[in-house]
Amino acid sequence: GAVVSQHPSWVICKSGTSVKIECRSLDFQATTMFWYRQFPKQSLMLMATSNEGSKATYEQGVEKDKFLINHASLTLSTLTVTSAHPEDSSFYICSAPKSEKNYGYTFGSGTRLTVV
Amino acid sequence: DAKTTQPPSMDCAEGRAANLPCNHSTISGNEYVYWYRQIHSQGPQYIIHGLKNNETNEMASLIITEDRKSSTLILPHATLRDTAVYYCIVRVESAGNMLTFGGGTRLMVKP
Repeated sequence: GAVVSQHPSWVICKSGTSVKIECRSLDFQATTMFWYRQFPKQSLMLMATSNEGSKATYEQGVEKDKFLINHASLTLSTLTVTSAHPEDSSFYICSAPKSEKNYGYTFGSGTRLTVV
Repeated sequence: DAKTTQPPSMDCAEGRAANLPCNHSTISGNEYVYWYRQIHSQGPQYIIHGLKNNETNEMASLIITEDRKSSTLILPHATLRDTAVYYCIVRVESAGNMLTFGGGTRLMVKP
């Protein structure tokens, strides 16, 4: 149980275009979703926290106008990379706390974004 | 959340036990020890967690020292599919807080 489905698993886009990444909680309600970014051979870095029905909270150094987060329902959170540039190429991962106490967090399978 | 220290890499022979250490000397009394792993190009996967008692599940065992300043994740019979980066995370149990990832240990299981 407590599965997060993330799509697409990979995407290639041209510079200047926008890309939307979706994360859906399949069998539980995710009132909170965390968005991470991971560059090659590095650890996961938290970008922002989205909460259903309210504005996302961004970590320092993350541009909120570039990385648009929407959490319109209890089962769907989206990250849109706007006006993508090659330096935005990375592995993006979403995560949600499981509903059961002490069961940790469940992660999406990740999205490999390549901007050319 | 308390900081953790892990060796950057380890090797293990297939079929042998893999023992991955983690130091968390500044851990607080209400902080849990969590272990996750990330296989290449996938999202992290929960393995196990504990507070002060040793824990075991179908994936691994977690041994926490009596002073709770360090712990060891044990994969009893490592397979090639266990090759991954293993992250030790110490945090207060709260569903609203994010996970903070350190560098982790890159475990290479060799035939």
